[in-house]
Order: sequence, then C-alpha cells, then structure tokens
Amino acid sequence: NAGVTQTPKFQVLKTGQSMTLQCAQDMNHEYMSWYRQDPGMGLRLIHYSVGAGITDQGEVPNGYNVSRSTTEDFPLRLLSAAPSQTSVYFCASSFSGTQGGKLFFGSGTQLSVL
Amino acid sequence: GDSVTQMEGPVTLSEEAFLTINCTYTATGYPSLFWYVQYPGEGLQLLLKATKADDKGSNKGFEATYRKETTSFHLEKGSVQVSDSAVYFCALSERAGGYNKLIFGAGTRLAVHP
Repeated sequence: NAGVTQTPKFQVLKTGQSMTLQCAQDMNHEYMSWYRQDPGMGLRLIHYSVGAGITDQGEVPNGYNVSRSTTEDFPLRLLSAAPSQTSVYFCASSFSGTQGGKLFFGSGTQLSVL
Repeated sequence: GDSVTQMEGPVTLSEEAFLTINCTYTATGYPSLFWYVQYPGEGLQLLLKATKADDKGSNKGFEATYRKETTSFHLEKGSVQVSDSAVYFCALSERAGGYNKLIFGAGTRLAVHP
C-alpha cells in the first residue's frame, strides 16, 4: 500500500517558470490538501478538495491552482514561480470527517525558485 | 480565527531526560487537538490526539492532556531516546463546510543526545 505519493522530491525553478507538483493517494480518501512548510511558520493550507470536481482555497492560495478530476490525484500548479514560493510542499489526505483530523502525509517536495 | 502557539525550539536533551513541549490554542469552539511528528526527510505522522476536555492522548510513551481551562495541550515524555529526535507539531481541527481542517503550530525541533 503506497499511501500518499508526491513527485518530484526536489525541484529548482527560475522566476516566471510554471510547473506542476503531483500528488496521488491509493486509500480512496475523499479529502486531499496541499500545505507549504516554511521555517518558523509551521504548515499553512494552500488548497483542499473534498471530492472529485470540488476544490476550495485555504490560507495561502495566491499563485497556485488545483484541480481534482479523479479521487486519486490532486496536482498543484504554480502558474508563474516567484522566490516567495521557495518552500517544502506537502500533500495530505484523509477520509472526509470520519477520522477526527488524522491526515496521511506524503514525503514532501522541496522547491527552490531562483 | 483559530490558532496554535508552540514553544520555540530547538529543545536539546540528553537521553532519558524528561520532555515537555508547550502548546496553547485559541479557538471559538471546542476543537479536537493533535500532536504530529516529522522525522528527518519524511512527512508528518499523527502521534496522538484528544477530542474533548480532560481527555489524555498517548502513544509511544508520549502523553498530552486536553486542558480547556488553560487552553493547552502540552506534550510530555518521561524518558526520551535518541530516536525521538524530530520536529513536533501541535494542531487543532477547525470545522468548516462539513469537513475538518487542521491548523498547525510552527513546530518544535527536538534533539536528543546520547
């Protein structure tokens, strides 16, 4: 059982480039989410989805797009990368509201924007 | 909005020492509270949780008690090991749109030396 799989693990971009961070889960979770982790700030929610075709904004959505065409996949798109988006990105999933907040996390993507 | 405040790290201890990591929260209702742990190079994992006042969550020798009167959820362990070295995150669940979202603190790094 793979759990939550994120790719790539590391990425370096130049300012203005676009890219997609991939996230897939094989646990049939309805709820999926993206967080960014910055030193001294913990994890901040970017976007989340409660099922295929349904997405919503989190705490820091600007500069990011998401879509949820299948239950398994929840890609995060950076439209025009900026140095402020240098961070570690985590995808997380859970059964929607039935497990009292237990999120299953991927191993993260470390992104540097030069 | 809801928020979580953790003690700043890093916390450096010798093996077999007693550990306390402080966590306080601000919430409009009565959220569930969680401790997550992040080992080097990995995503976060749920360590323990408590869903109502005076509940004690415990796992792997770690404990935390939900204190409504002091809005706290301090993490404790009686005798730490080198393998406990990690970053610890306190979190609360916020109910929004029928689903639980997690609000994380900034994290506290623990380093345990032999």
